[in-house]
Amino acid sequence: NAGVTQTPKFQVLKTGQSMTLQCAQDMNHEYMSWYRQDPGMGLRLIHYSVGAGITDQGEVPNGYNVSRSTTEDFPLRLLSAAPSQTSVYFCASILRTGSRDGYTFGSGTRLTVV
Amino acid sequence: AQSVTQLGSHVSVSEGALVLLRCNYSSSVPPYLFWYVQYPNQGLQLLLKYTSAATLVKGINGFEAEFKKSETSFHLTKPSAHMSDAAEYFCAVRGGSEKLVFGKGTKLTVNP
Repeated sequence: NAGVTQTPKFQVLKTGQSMTLQCAQDMNHEYMSWYRQDPGMGLRLIHYSVGAGITDQGEVPNGYNVSRSTTEDFPLRLLSAAPSQTSVYFCASILRTGSRDGYTFGSGTRLTVV
Repeated sequence: AQSVTQLGSHVSVSEGALVLLRCNYSSSVPPYLFWYVQYPNQGLQLLLKYTSAATLVKGINGFEAEFKKSETSFHLTKPSAHMSDAAEYFCAVRGGSEKLVFGKGTKLTVNP
């Protein structure tokens, strides 16, 4: 049982490049989400999914796309990277809607856009 | 909508002193409240949670928090700080949906 796995751990992109941040969980969690963490800003929600085939926008969705074709995977796509997207990205999941559990977080992806 | 305010972006205590990290929340429905800890260059680890049972919640590493509805607060305390407690602490609220809303964080420094 690996929990929430994020890859890669580190990435450097040039402005305008695209890439996909991977997130996978093996706990059969229905709900998955992506956050970005910036100094002094806490964690802000980018996109989330309440189940396979269902996604929705969070607080800061611009410049990012997501899809949820399976319960296990929830990739985050940067379409055209910008320096403002330099951040640490966390994927998090919870078993199901209404669960009283805390989220399970991945270890993060540190992205630098130059 | 839910929101969280953490009072003090930096808190410094001496080893052995009381730790008090403040969190106030806003929620239109009964909230679930959480404290997470983040050590340098690591992910977030759940310290404790309040989910409408006991108002005094005990967590890992000797931390506890008290839910006070009248004050809309959920402050985190530890009687005696250890050097290993140095980290960033985040308060978070969830209510009415699965979205978890975080405060901006409080960085705790423990001085020898």
